[in-house]
Amino acid sequence: GENVEQHPSTLSVQEGDSAVIKCTYSDSASNYFPWYKQELGKRPQLIIDIRSNVGEKKDQRIAVTLNKTAKHFSLHITETQPEDSAVYFCAASMDYKLSFGAGTTVTVRA
Amino acid sequence: DAGVIQSPRHEVTEMGQEVTLRCKPISGHNSLFWYRQTMMRGLELLIYFNNNVPIDDSGMPEDRFSAKMPNASFSTLKIQPSEPRDSAVYFCASSFRQASYGYTFGSGTRLTVV
Repeated sequence: GENVEQHPSTLSVQEGDSAVIKCTYSDSASNYFPWYKQELGKRPQLIIDIRSNVGEKKDQRIAVTLNKTAKHFSLHITETQPEDSAVYFCAASMDYKLSFGAGTTVTVRA
Repeated sequence: DAGVIQSPRHEVTEMGQEVTLRCKPISGHNSLFWYRQTMMRGLELLIYFNNNVPIDDSGMPEDRFSAKMPNASFSTLKIQPSEPRDSAVYFCASSFRQASYGYTFGSGTRLTVV
């Protein structure tokens, strides 16, 4: 089955700086790559996603890039704010099943 | 839409007792997923239903776990008998058609087995 690896496991950034989280996947047939944000005690929420026919997607301060050849994708958060502090999960899918990475705990220092 | 609704939010039970978790998916979504989240193992898919039919239950830990979806608007996950190692947050999620339309998670049930 699909195996998704996510790095780093923890990330501390100064408010206003950028944060980058990287994921790799194993199954070249995967074609959908969502990112979820989970605040403490809350549910995972979809923040952005990308499909295999697209190389990059942006939504305000967040962006995701996909390199299908290398089988890796990344989440970029610019101008980080305290409310960006959370656990971020990447995932990959080719049909019904999302395989999740282990998560990255992002802490934004004021 | 109220989103995916799970109950109860918290459950504390004694080892050996039966536990039933409930989920109401978003209306119109035909795929339903039960996930378990722990610090050690992250988010694990337990079972997937499509159009009320269980399609993939390979993630169900053992025979103590069972899940049903009697209709499009209701699903249950039952643990009988419960054990301390079942303590986790259990999430239900639903989506339209496939994962490539994105999952919407419920608020989860935090289960503690003492």
